Amino acid sequence: DAKTTQPPSMDCAEGRAANLPCNHSTISGNEYVYWYRQIHSQGPQYIIHGLKNNETNEMASLIITEDRKSSTLILPHATLRDTAVYYCIVRVGGYGGSQGNLIFGKGTKLSVKP
Amino acid sequence: EAQVTQNPRYLITVTGKKLTVTCSQNMNHEYMSWYRQDPGLGLRQIYYSMNVEVTDKGDVPEGYKVSRKEKRNFPLILESPSPNQTSLYFCASSFNIWGASGANVLTFGAGSRLTVL
Repeated sequence: DAKTTQPPSMDCAEGRAANLPCNHSTISGNEYVYWYRQIHSQGPQYIIHGLKNNETNEMASLIITEDRKSSTLILPHATLRDTAVYYCIVRVGGYGGSQGNLIFGKGTKLSVKP
Repeated sequence: EAQVTQNPRYLITVTGKKLTVTCSQNMNHEYMSWYRQDPGLGLRQIYYSMNVEVTDKGDVPEGYKVSRKEKRNFPLILESPSPNQTSLYFCASSFNIWGASGANVLTFGAGSRLTVL
């Protein structure tokens, strides 16, 4: 699976949109982008995923660039409870390669401030 | 309730005393994986299993063993724990790796905090 690069930390004001970037320049055509977050030391939780189209669900929006080399997770109205570490990973959707070796890395620590 | 259950949640042990951290999922998932989390190092994969009797090393497998004799269980074994294995451990599972992308969403356990003295 392709590796990702994320900024180590970001701040966001409560009520404002939080935009978390992720670079995945070596992504291949059949790899999906997944986002998870981890609040304190709890188990990470799934947020959203996408292949090439932008996606939105009740938690967030995912914007993927046309060349698919980067993406942005958007939390439209960040709250204090969104303070967490956010992980961007890429994962193959089809057979082939070392599918099981999933690299989470260090993620981005988002601090939402009042 | 669909979940991944890890036990024990907390454990303090001594160097060299074999221990097993159990992981069980009730979702009939094929794929299971173990991660450790240390300050400043993020989540690092220890071992994973694509299906019953199929396991493979992740990025930091040294000092650990796993087995996958049945689909629901994926225990992590520390044969001779050392202080550098003091960490927060997470087990995760998903339906499969290939196929529909929605089936690849990982469900994580609550974590097991292990201290080796």
